[in-house]
Amino acid sequence: DAKTTQPNSMESNEEEPVHLPCNHSTISGTDYIHWYRQLPSQGPEYVIHGLTSNVNNRMASLAIAEDRKSSTLILHRATLRDAAVYYCILGAQGAQKLVFGQGTRLTINP
Amino acid sequence: GAVVSQHPSRVICKSGTSVKIECRSLDFQATTMFWYRQFPKQSLMLMATSNEGSKATYEQGVEKDKFLINHASLTLSTLTVTSAHPEDSSFYICSARPYDSGDPDTQYFGPGTRLTVL
Repeated sequence: DAKTTQPNSMESNEEEPVHLPCNHSTISGTDYIHWYRQLPSQGPEYVIHGLTSNVNNRMASLAIAEDRKSSTLILHRATLRDAAVYYCILGAQGAQKLVFGQGTRLTINP
Repeated sequence: GAVVSQHPSRVICKSGTSVKIECRSLDFQATTMFWYRQFPKQSLMLMATSNEGSKATYEQGVEKDKFLINHASLTLSTLTVTSAHPEDSSFYICSARPYDSGDPDTQYFGPGTRLTVL
């Protein structure tokens, strides 16, 4: 499974944008970039995914580098409810399983 | 949409007993369901992949005779922890992949079941 590297933790302030980086230098051409987050004592929640182009949805934006070796999850205006562990995961289409790394623990200050 | 439930949410049992955890996709059909385990302060570890109507595929190091998985229908998978011991105490999470999903490999997760073995 292709590996991703994320900072262990990040901190931001409420109502400010948050940029969560992910490095995946060994990504293959067919790997999708998935982001999930896990709030305390809950199961993970799907956030966003992309292949080559930047993606937006109601939760976040995903910016993918041109060489696809890194990506950034953008929370445009963080709230206290965004405090969670964010996982960046690579998955080849059809591979089915997701392999979770350690993720980034995001703390939001009021 | 895409809601996955788990039952029970929390269970405490005595050492040596068996515990069954149910995972249901409430508003979609799932050909594939996954079972994960998560110890405190750690990430999720995939235990097994189950496809409806066939035997589960277990990850390396996971004992298939201890963790019995049954995927009886397109909306229900069960995990039975047999002869549970304190080291099996963990947070068990299931996920489901919608049948004929247009999203590549997106999984929807249940809320988790916290198992404590005394």
